[in-house]
Amino acid sequence: DSGVTQTPKHLITATGQRVTLRCSPRSGDLSVYWYQQSLDQGLQFLIQYYNGEERAKGNILERFSAQQFPDLHSELNLSSLELGDSALYFCASSGGGTSRPRETQYFGPGTRLLVL
Amino acid sequence: DAKTTQPPSMDCAEGRAANLPCNHSTISGNEYVYWYRQIHSQGPQYIIHGLKNNETNEMASLIITEDRKSSTLILPHATLRDTAVYYCIVRSDSWGKLQFGAGTQVVVTP
Repeated sequence: DSGVTQTPKHLITATGQRVTLRCSPRSGDLSVYWYQQSLDQGLQFLIQYYNGEERAKGNILERFSAQQFPDLHSELNLSSLELGDSALYFCASSGGGTSRPRETQYFGPGTRLLVL
Repeated sequence: DAKTTQPPSMDCAEGRAANLPCNHSTISGNEYVYWYRQIHSQGPQYIIHGLKNNETNEMASLIITEDRKSSTLILPHATLRDTAVYYCIVRSDSWGKLQFGAGTQVVVTP
């Protein structure tokens, strides 16, 4: 158990819909990262937040957005969903005082999204 | 971040050491080598990382060549639960993203 939690575990929705994925980082971790893993693209970095502020952006579509709240949990919002958005979405966290080394990223179990 | 090259797959017998190679010939002086693994669609799991010196922890050992252009991850006594995709990642920003390649699919057989 990495200490990172993600909800829901599975999500089935229809094209055009909007969903929200939630991530709770390890206790004390200030950085949250979102990754997408699809069959044809592999694991790809989407976006990073540090202590509530966006720190880095990767290949994140304009239809996707994220935020990190004062309690450090993060949400990834996916809108106008397309079939190609079906994937595993992972959240990772780092930077807490108990992580050794502190920059190690610990991953959650992921949310499996299926768009029909 | 420097690009890495790994064999697409490897087999290993249970109980034997698994030696996973990684080439990173364009690595620069401040870039670390990280290893993660992913067991069947679970979240990637951190294994080990290093800069220049060899490193060992409870999971594995990391051997980095003197010129730092390649490294080897060693799982000393492979078990069936070590069957996974292993990713070698070169990283310059310790607090930034991880750039995953295709990795090496390791299958441990009885």
